[in-house]
Amino acid sequence: DGGITQSPKYLFRKEGQNVTLSCEQNLNHDAMYWYRQDPGQGLRLIYYSQIVNDFQKGDIAEGYSVSREKKESFPLTVTSAQKNPTAFYLCASSDRGSSGANVLTFGAGSRLTVL
Amino acid sequence: GQQVMQIPQYQHVQEGEDFTTYCNSSTTLSNIQWYKQRPGGHPVFLIQLVKSGEVKKQKRLTFQFGEAKKNSSLHITATQTTDVGTYFCAGTRSGGSYIPTFGRGTSLIVHP
Repeated sequence: DGGITQSPKYLFRKEGQNVTLSCEQNLNHDAMYWYRQDPGQGLRLIYYSQIVNDFQKGDIAEGYSVSREKKESFPLTVTSAQKNPTAFYLCASSDRGSSGANVLTFGAGSRLTVL
Repeated sequence: GQQVMQIPQYQHVQEGEDFTTYCNSSTTLSNIQWYKQRPGGHPVFLIQLVKSGEVKKQKRLTFQFGEAKKNSSLHITATQTTDVGTYFCAGTRSGGSYIPTFGRGTSLIVHP
């Protein structure tokens, strides 16, 4: 089955530690995204990548880093510089789109709790 | 930057009642998408609207895109407990990147 796999599903870390969230897709999509979801805040874009070896900052990139070395993979690192990292993180992918929009397919999410 | 406002934030209904959520953009959109997130789940794409004034139906769900392409609505007729979840609109700015901007979502609670 084609889809997006995020791991781990739940993650607990101490303050000051960097953590890396994994996102793998086998949909052959060019574009991949990371969103952060907090209660009542909707989905906020952290980073996105439209092609391998290239990525762009979203609305809330501070304290996060990404890489896109392979088409299938787009890991997100939550660094110690992120002031409030506890949240639900969603990875998504899409075709580059020719109709003026990218329809997103989401993974199941990773819930990070910083103690 | 582009903003997409969605109201209400929460809506409680009795099973069988209708439900509507509204989405408004500060800029003209090339299209709008709607997603549903069940409790504990992840957003799932429902539909995309592209044309001015477009109306699309999926069983009891009716989606509309405004004439000015700045607003949209999702209407559910005769809600069921299976409709519970958060509904998000996501708009793509006309002439901008292909990245949709999400509204904050409307959480629908259906009481049996």
